[in-house]
Amino acid sequence: GNSVTQMEGPVTLSEEAFLTINCTYTATGYPSLFWYVQYPGEGLQLLLKATKADDKGSNKGFEATYRKETTSFHLEKGSVQVSDSAVYFCALLLNRDDKIIFGKGTRLHILP
Amino acid sequence: GAVVSQHPSWVICKSGTSVKIECRSLDFQATTMFWYRQFPKQSLMLMATSNEGSKATYEQGVEKDKFLINHASLTLSTLTVTSAHPEDSSFYICSARARGAGNTIYFGEGSWLTVV
Repeated sequence: GNSVTQMEGPVTLSEEAFLTINCTYTATGYPSLFWYVQYPGEGLQLLLKATKADDKGSNKGFEATYRKETTSFHLEKGSVQVSDSAVYFCALLLNRDDKIIFGKGTRLHILP
Repeated sequence: GAVVSQHPSWVICKSGTSVKIECRSLDFQATTMFWYRQFPKQSLMLMATSNEGSKATYEQGVEKDKFLINHASLTLSTLTVTSAHPEDSSFYICSARARGAGNTIYFGEGSWLTVV
């Protein structure tokens, strides 16, 4: 079946550290891939997306590259800030049925 | 950008009563809306997909008679939790796909339901 697996948290880093949150997927067909962020007490916000292989999504200093050969979409940021503390969800969308399938989320804590 | 609004953000209800949660697309028409449920420290689980003017499609294991979904217009979908019990306490979040917007799906802020 279709699924998303992401690294378990919580992840705790110091400010200005390099961040990687791993995400791999299993899908029939060619999905679009997303990273969503959920700040404390808020709903989901789309952080970035990629719709085909080798596409790189980027936003707010975060990047992720759609790697078809490794079925991965790892999230990276070169220098994290305290304000990046949130839960990050990797997700895929199969175009034919519009259903977004989410990973379990990774809670990120950034220490000042 | 596109905005999806949910109301109420927080609701507490007595066991056995029903509660309605609204999901509105504020500046676009949403042909399809999705309802998710999120348990603490868990991922979002899709409950149902609703298309304007037609019956909702429920995911396996979701009780249709307990979670009533109505998508009466292109800007409004409602989720009614009927005869709520404490185990229904959860975070419910909707999303909407904008007509003609490709794969862009926008999420609401979510609604916290506590059944006491």
